[in-house]
Amino acid sequence: EAQVTQNPRYLITVTGKKLTVTCSQNMNHEYMSWYRQDPGLGLRQIYYSMNVEVTDKGDVPEGYKVSRKEKRNFPLILESPSPNQTSLYFCASSFRGASHGYTFGSGTRLTVV
Amino acid sequence: QKEVEQDPGPLSVPEGAIVSLNCTYSNSAFQYFMWYRQYSRKGPELLMYTYSSGNKEDGRFTAQVDKSSKYISLFIRDSQPSDSATYLCAMSERGDDKIIFGKGTRLHILP
Repeated sequence: EAQVTQNPRYLITVTGKKLTVTCSQNMNHEYMSWYRQDPGLGLRQIYYSMNVEVTDKGDVPEGYKVSRKEKRNFPLILESPSPNQTSLYFCASSFRGASHGYTFGSGTRLTVV
Repeated sequence: QKEVEQDPGPLSVPEGAIVSLNCTYSNSAFQYFMWYRQYSRKGPELLMYTYSSGNKEDGRFTAQVDKSSKYISLFIRDSQPSDSATYLCAMSERGDDKIIFGKGTRLHILP
């Protein structure tokens, strides 16, 4: 089944403890992206990648890191999480470019206490 | 002025009715327009995308773009309770550019 897989689905952590949210797609997509979704603010792009080893900042990159060493994987790293990073996170991928639509993962609900 | 505006709802309509969902935008350079559906506790799912102006139909769904008015619409015919979800509009200037999302409209179809 063609899909974007994120792990974990739920995560509670403490301020300052480094964490990684994994994302993997099995569709050979070139484009991948991370979004966070917050009530009243909608979906905001954190980082995106147009190909292996090519990444760029989205609208809210502060406090996040990404890497794209392989086409299928695009992990999101929070080096020192803070409570304002409590959010619902989505990974997404696309074959023909962002504007032909992304396939989204099921989301990771992160709580930082 | 926000780049993409969308009424948050909730919008409640009886089963079988025609639903109209809308977004307005301010950036005249947008050329790619998309509609996503998001069920509770799930990721957004692409429903339709269109390029430039005009209409596009897919089953019970019709997407309409009016670039002169900077206004896009999604129509759902013969609405079903399973259509109850949040609908997000999204748009972009170029095919490889980032997508700007509306905040979504919550839709309830009443049986």
